[in-house]
Amino acid sequence: SQTIHQWPATLVQPVGSPLSLECTVEGTSNPNLYWYRQAAGRGLQLLFYSVGIGQISSEVPQNLSASRPQDRQFILSSKKLLLSDSGFYLCAWCTGRREYCYEQYFGPGTRLTVT
Amino acid sequence: DAKTTQPNSMESNEEEPVHLPCNHSTISGTDYIHWYRQLPSQGPEYVIHGLTSNVNNRMASLAIAEDRKSSTLILHRATLRDAAVYYCILTPYNTDKLIFGTGTRLQVFP
Repeated sequence: SQTIHQWPATLVQPVGSPLSLECTVEGTSNPNLYWYRQAAGRGLQLLFYSVGIGQISSEVPQNLSASRPQDRQFILSSKKLLLSDSGFYLCAWCTGRREYCYEQYFGPGTRLTVT
Repeated sequence: DAKTTQPNSMESNEEEPVHLPCNHSTISGTDYIHWYRQLPSQGPEYVIHGLTSNVNNRMASLAIAEDRKSSTLILHRATLRDAAVYYCILTPYNTDKLIFGTGTRLQVFP
């Protein structure tokens, strides 16, 4: 069966510090991968998605970046965190035909607090 | 992207049916209707999706209006575990992205 892992589960970082969040998927190959952010009391915002190794699409301009160094690994990074980067970060993967994702599976999330 | 409109919140008693409405008057012919839910402090989970015909699965039923401008997610017997935010999302056939709105917060009372 497929499993998605995210770490760390919680993170407290000072403003201006770097960030690296990791997501890995097991039990599937060549998935579409997604990063979302949910600010406190808000809906989910799609940040990045990837259809293959090294292929990253950015949805929202910001000081975050994403990379996909391996088929089932997706990394979210920042060189300098802002207070507004606080939130619940979720990784997801998708099954189905490549051009249409009809069911996304979400990881447990990382709760990031920037102080 | 076509937009959806959902009530901010709804309430239900345990073991009663729940009908969660979603309006999508600008839906196009190739837009699929998805429903996800998000339990507190968890990531969203897929509930159901459909195109034109009503759909049933182990979690819920999806009733789609004949003109497809609205749909209703039906939980046949609400449980306390069904308390969550329910998102109605339109996804064009040729895209692999989900654009979440603000959803409906469902409260279930014992």
